[in-house]
Amino acid sequence: GENVEQHPSTLSVQEGDSAVIKCTYSDSASNYFPWYKQELGKRPQLIIDIRSNVGEKKDQRIAVTLNKTAKHFSLHITETQPEDSAVYFCAASPNSGGYQKVTFGTGTKLQVIP
Amino acid sequence: GAVVSQHPSWVICKSGTSVKIECRSLDFQATTMFWYRQFPKQSLMLMATSNEGSKATYEQGVEKDKFLINHASLTLSTLTVTSAHPEDSSFYICSAMTWNTEAFFGQGTRLTVV
Repeated sequence: GENVEQHPSTLSVQEGDSAVIKCTYSDSASNYFPWYKQELGKRPQLIIDIRSNVGEKKDQRIAVTLNKTAKHFSLHITETQPEDSAVYFCAASPNSGGYQKVTFGTGTKLQVIP
Repeated sequence: GAVVSQHPSWVICKSGTSVKIECRSLDFQATTMFWYRQFPKQSLMLMATSNEGSKATYEQGVEKDKFLINHASLTLSTLTVTSAHPEDSSFYICSAMTWNTEAFFGQGTRLTVV
């Protein structure tokens, strides 16, 4: 099955700086890569996603890049703000059996220091 | 985005009793629902995948007879933790999706078995 590794496990940045979280995956059949933000005690919320036919996607301060050859993808947050502090999960999903089974990375706890 | 409602948000039960958790997609028909378990400060571990009208597919190591999953309609899936024990205490969270869409998460259920 799919195995998703995520680094770093914790990340502290000063407000205004950039944050980068990296993930690798093992299943070459994966073609959908969402990123989720989970605040303490709350449900994961999708913040951005990318499909395998695209190398980069940007939404305001958030961008995601994908390298299918190397099987890795990254989340970039620019001009970080205290409200960006949360746990971020990457995920990978193959188109399997008519539905998409999502495998999550181990998570990165991001702390933005005011 | 779409709304997935999970109920109850938290439950305390005595050891040996059973607990049912509901996951409803409120404004869309979910062809597939996923059940996850999340330990403190850890990632979401997929327990099982259920498609409407068919038996759930359980991940390796998840006891089918202990974690009963029913997906009777396109808007409702239930997870029943049977004969619960303290080690079953955890955060259980569902997600729902339609064909080729992102997964939308419920708000999660914190189960405490005493």
